[in-house]
Amino acid sequence: DVKVTQSSRYLVKRTGEKVFLECVQDMDHENMFWYRQDPGLGLRLIYFSYDVKMKEKGDIPEGYSVSREKKERFSLILESASTNQTSMYLCASSLTGVSYNEQFFGPGTRLTVL
Amino acid sequence: DQQVKQNSPSLSVQEGRISILNCDYTNSMFDYFLWYKKYPAEGPTFLISISSIKDKNEDGRFTVFLNKSAKHLSLHIVPSQPGDSAVYFCAASDGNQFYFGTGTSLTVIP
Repeated sequence: DVKVTQSSRYLVKRTGEKVFLECVQDMDHENMFWYRQDPGLGLRLIYFSYDVKMKEKGDIPEGYSVSREKKERFSLILESASTNQTSMYLCASSLTGVSYNEQFFGPGTRLTVL
Repeated sequence: DQQVKQNSPSLSVQEGRISILNCDYTNSMFDYFLWYKKYPAEGPTFLISISSIKDKNEDGRFTVFLNKSAKHLSLHIVPSQPGDSAVYFCAASDGNQFYFGTGTSLTVIP
């Protein structure tokens, strides 16, 4: 079974702090994704990566950056956290061919920015 | 602008009856569609998919119907079970990325 793990289930940070959300998958998937889930808005794609050191902007990349130094690990970085980044963050991975392969999701990190 | 919409935020169904969850999309370039189920405190899990070359796909109690002319898809669950109570997301792909709907919370009443 594919396993996608996220470093924290719950996180509370202060405005202006730098925040790292880590995601690791154990199935050698090429593609990795970061989404945020907000009530009434569904899942929105922040960034994705097709390969190590590659990244692509999703629909809402502003205020975020990512890092993929190893195939199994994809990090989401909030350079200076703001209250409007309070959300549920979901990481996912899939095999090559992003459009037609199901994505496997981690359990999510609920981030609160005070 | 939301390209994939689930207009019903919630749905309640009696156990044993049919649950019908609906999803509408606006982009005619979408050619692959999926449904995910999400329990509280867990990530979404894949349920069923359908390609635009088909109008129906069935997997056990779950059937997805696609009406391309109406840009509408629906998920039918028959018979509904209490364990089906979850949030259901539809997702559509244009070949570059998936776009998710806002979700419908299904409650199956025993």
